[in-house]
Amino acid sequence: KAGVTQTPRYLIKTRGQQVTLSCSPISGHRSVSWYQQTPGQGLQFLFEYFSETQRNKGNFPGRFSGRQFSNSRSEMNVSTLELGDSALYLCASSLAGTEDSPLHFGNGTRLTVT
Amino acid sequence: AQSVAQPEDQVNVAEGNPLTVKCTYSVSGNPYLFWYVQYPNRGLQFLLKYITGDNLVKGSYGFEAEFNKSQTSFHLKKPSALVSDSALYFCAVRDITGGGNKLTFGTGTQLKVEL
Repeated sequence: KAGVTQTPRYLIKTRGQQVTLSCSPISGHRSVSWYQQTPGQGLQFLFEYFSETQRNKGNFPGRFSGRQFSNSRSEMNVSTLELGDSALYLCASSLAGTEDSPLHFGNGTRLTVT
Repeated sequence: AQSVAQPEDQVNVAEGNPLTVKCTYSVSGNPYLFWYVQYPNRGLQFLLKYITGDNLVKGSYGFEAEFNKSQTSFHLKKPSALVSDSALYFCAVRDITGGGNKLTFGTGTQLKVEL
């Protein structure tokens, strides 16, 4: 079974631009979550989608948004990029989105904002 | 709020020796606890989870974790470390606020296994 696939693996953008990251979950998984990983702040939760609905949201500004499609694939968008948005963005999927379902992570998208 | 703490930024151990990576938790209600490992330039890999039941949880790659309710700890252990175990380890707790499948992670512990 294929794992979680994130594209692209690397991105370089300029301040003020916007970016869209893509995530394909494991087949059959309906919950998709996004996390930001930085050396200073560690792993921080962005949002979770389940059956195309945002179920939970972290403490990030409105520039960060996401969506989930009917096939469970998800995208996240960051508008008006800032230098501080440079990070590894990790997508994770889980089978049922219940409390004991482990998250399965992709290898991430490394975003560099210059 | 649910939280976990990993008091050690780095743990060094010789190959063949037992290893312990520490984690303490703070939750309201029953804890749902997880351990993940991250290799360079990779995502996180699930190692094991504690939901309920036995206090000793066995996971992948020979790892196990001991749940201790009185000490609010969930330490990761392995009887005999390998050089290939060198990686970044994260403890996590299910965050029940807002519902869903959100995890709150610790700051991570870098494990270095030396020959």
